[in-house]
Amino acid sequence: DVVMTQSPLSLPVALGQPASISCRSGQSLLYSDGHTYLNWYQQRPGQSPRRLIYTVSDRDSGVPDRFSGSGSGTDFTLKISRVEAEDVGTYYCMQGTHWPYTFGQGTKLEIK
Amino acid sequence: EVQLVESGGGLVKPGGSLRLSCAASGFAFRDAWMSWVRQAPGKGLEWVGRIVSKVDGGTTDYAAPVRGRFTISRDDSNNMLFLQMNSLKTDDTAVYYCSTRSQVTSFDHWGQGTQVTVSS
Repeated sequence: DVVMTQSPLSLPVALGQPASISCRSGQSLLYSDGHTYLNWYQQRPGQSPRRLIYTVSDRDSGVPDRFSGSGSGTDFTLKISRVEAEDVGTYYCMQGTHWPYTFGQGTKLEIK
Repeated sequence: EVQLVESGGGLVKPGGSLRLSCAASGFAFRDAWMSWVRQAPGKGLEWVGRIVSKVDGGTTDYAAPVRGRFTISRDDSNNMLFLQMNSLKTDDTAVYYCSTRSQVTSFDHWGQGTQVTVSS
């Protein structure tokens, strides 16, 4: 299975400040069709996961533009330009290139 | 509006069986690839398995921890997804989510989850 390694695992951030989460995969996520199937999910406390980003950098409908994704190959980053109170929760990267799909361990974002 | 509603969770003894259901609405279910994902208490997310649409072959794939014990099926006539879980272990205790997604368009939906507890 492809191991997805996130850092940091805990991320205290002041309101209005930027935040960044790194995700590294154990092998390249570039698929033979040219797409890189790297996703980012947000899970607020007590809620189901919600996808924020697909194919590395495409934002899902309704996701604020303060969320952005970047990267290629095996190294990826989720950035929040200005953290808001509603961003509290756990963030997971997830690869959809190799079966079984796998998630990172999760990064818990809290307000400092 | 897309809706995925899981049911069938509960408390079961080790070695027992349980069948989860997921009622889907608001999208073309017969064309959708459907998945089950679980989350153990206080832990991260783990793929259980997936079933592709019949037009794409209708095949199923499972993660290693459940292969041979869990079976995913679908009833396209009634927009239902199922997860048959046999030989349950305490490690299977989790919230089980039904989900569907596109990997290349903005379409990704999850149910509210159903709790499965395996304990003697």
